[in-house]
Amino acid sequence: AQKVTQAQTEISVVEKEDVTLDCVYETRDTTYYLFWYKQPPSGELVFLIRRNSFDEQNEISGRYSWNFQKSTSSFNFTITASQVVDSAVYFCALSEAQDGTASKLTFGTGTRLQVTL
Amino acid sequence: DTAVSQTPKYLVTQMGNDKSIKCEQNLGHDTMYWYKQDSKKFLKIMFSYNNKELIINETVPNRFSPKSPDKAHLNLHINSLELGDSAVYFCASSQDPWGAPNTEAFFGQGTRLTVV
Repeated sequence: AQKVTQAQTEISVVEKEDVTLDCVYETRDTTYYLFWYKQPPSGELVFLIRRNSFDEQNEISGRYSWNFQKSTSSFNFTITASQVVDSAVYFCALSEAQDGTASKLTFGTGTRLQVTL
Repeated sequence: DTAVSQTPKYLVTQMGNDKSIKCEQNLGHDTMYWYKQDSKKFLKIMFSYNNKELIINETVPNRFSPKSPDKAHLNLHINSLELGDSAVYFCASSQDPWGAPNTEAFFGQGTRLTVV
C-alpha cells in the first residue's frame, strides 16, 4: 500500500529565511507520481508540481525548488527567501500506476508553514 | 472562469437531514473525484468517476451517494447526516485515463459541511 509521511507538522520561519518541507513516501510500484499541493488560509488546494518516478532531476520554479531522491524515497520542497504569502499548509501526495485500477492521490498529513515578518 | 466549482461553499445542517453538494468542471476532463478533509486537515479520497462510471469507492458509508449525470458534473448526496460527517469536501477533476495517474488533479474550493 502506498503511504506518504510529512513528519513536520508545523514550521515557523521569519520572512526571507529559506525553509525545507520534508516528504517521505512508500510504494511497491516502480512507476509512480509525486505531487505537492498548497492550501492557503482561504482553503483551496493549489497544484504546485508533479514528478514521475523516472525523472529524478531537481526542479526549480522561481523561489520554489524540489529535490527528488529515489534512494531515500524522498521528495522535499524548499522555499527560498520565504514571504508571508507562503504561509499555508503544504501537502505532498503520491499516485501509483497500477494496471487495471484507477489512480488516486494518497496525501501526507500536511505541513503548516507560518512565515512572519 | 472557474475550472472546478462546487456549491455551496458552506453548509450548516442538523443531524438526520439529507443534503447535496454539486460539482462542475469546465476543463473537459474525463475523471472526477470527491475527497474529504477532516478537522486535522487529513485528505482522503472517497469516490472517483471516469466518464460517468464509478471507478473508486473507498469504503465510504452508503449514506454517501455520488451521482454523475455527465462527465462534467459529479454531485454528492448525503443521507441521514451525522456529526462525524462534518468536514470539508473537495471535488476534483483530472485528465486521467484509466490507469494513467500522471496528470494532476485540479480541486474545487471546497464545501465546509457542519452538522449540528
